[in-house]
Amino acid sequence: DAGITQSPRYKITETGRQVTLMCHQTWSHSYMFWYRQDLGHGLRLIYYSAAADITDKGEVPDGYVVSRSKTENFPLTLESATRSQTSVYFCASNPGANYEQYFGPGTRLTVT
Amino acid sequence: KNQVEQSPQSLIILEGKNCTLQCNYTVSPFSNLRWYKQDTGRGPVSLTIMTFSENTKSNGRYTATLDADTKQSSLHITASQLSDSASYICVVSATGGGNKLTFGTGTQLKVEL
Repeated sequence: DAGITQSPRYKITETGRQVTLMCHQTWSHSYMFWYRQDLGHGLRLIYYSAAADITDKGEVPDGYVVSRSKTENFPLTLESATRSQTSVYFCASNPGANYEQYFGPGTRLTVT
Repeated sequence: KNQVEQSPQSLIILEGKNCTLQCNYTVSPFSNLRWYKQDTGRGPVSLTIMTFSENTKSNGRYTATLDADTKQSSLHITASQLSDSASYICVVSATGGGNKLTFGTGTQLKVEL
C-alpha cells in the first residue's frame, strides 16, 4: 500500500524495557521525522533524518535512538523505557523543506 | 523561543454554522504557516500552506488567512459538517529552520446536530 505506515499501532511495555517503533514510507521521501504528542503540548520533534544514514536531534531527543539504513524506513528505539515516554508517537515524511509533511497513523505507547 | 498559540482551546457549534479559529505566532524569521486537521486517533492532515506573500488560501469549505505583520492567522470553516469535528492545528516554519516546525496545541472543534 502506498503511503506512510507505523507499527505497532498500540504497545504496552514495562519500565526499563527496550521497545522499537517502526515507520515505513513508500514515496521515497528524503526527509523523515518522529514526533510525540502529549496533552497540553503541540507535537514535539524527537529526531529527524534528511536522507539515509543522516539523522539529527529535534527538540526532545533524550532517551531515544534512531537509525536510517534505508530511505523508506526510520525506526525509533526507546532503549530503556520510562513512564514519561508514555505518549502517542507520529512518524512523518516529506520530499524537502517547505513541502507538506505527511503523517502516519500514530503509535500509542504506554509504559507501566 | 518560537511559539504558536491557538484559541479557543475548544469549540462546539451546530451543524451548518460557520466558525473561525485563531492562531498567533512568534516564530522568526517566518517562512510559512500551515493548518492541519487531526481526526481522533489519526495523524494530522494538511489543509493549507501559506507563505509570507499569501494572505488568503482556500481548500473547499476551509479558508485560511494570514497577516504576517501582526503574526496572526485564522481558519474559517463554512457550513460546518459533522465530519469537521476534529482538532485543528496551526503550524509555523522558520526560514533557515530546515524542516523544523513549531506546532500549536490545537483547537478541538465539535460539530453537533
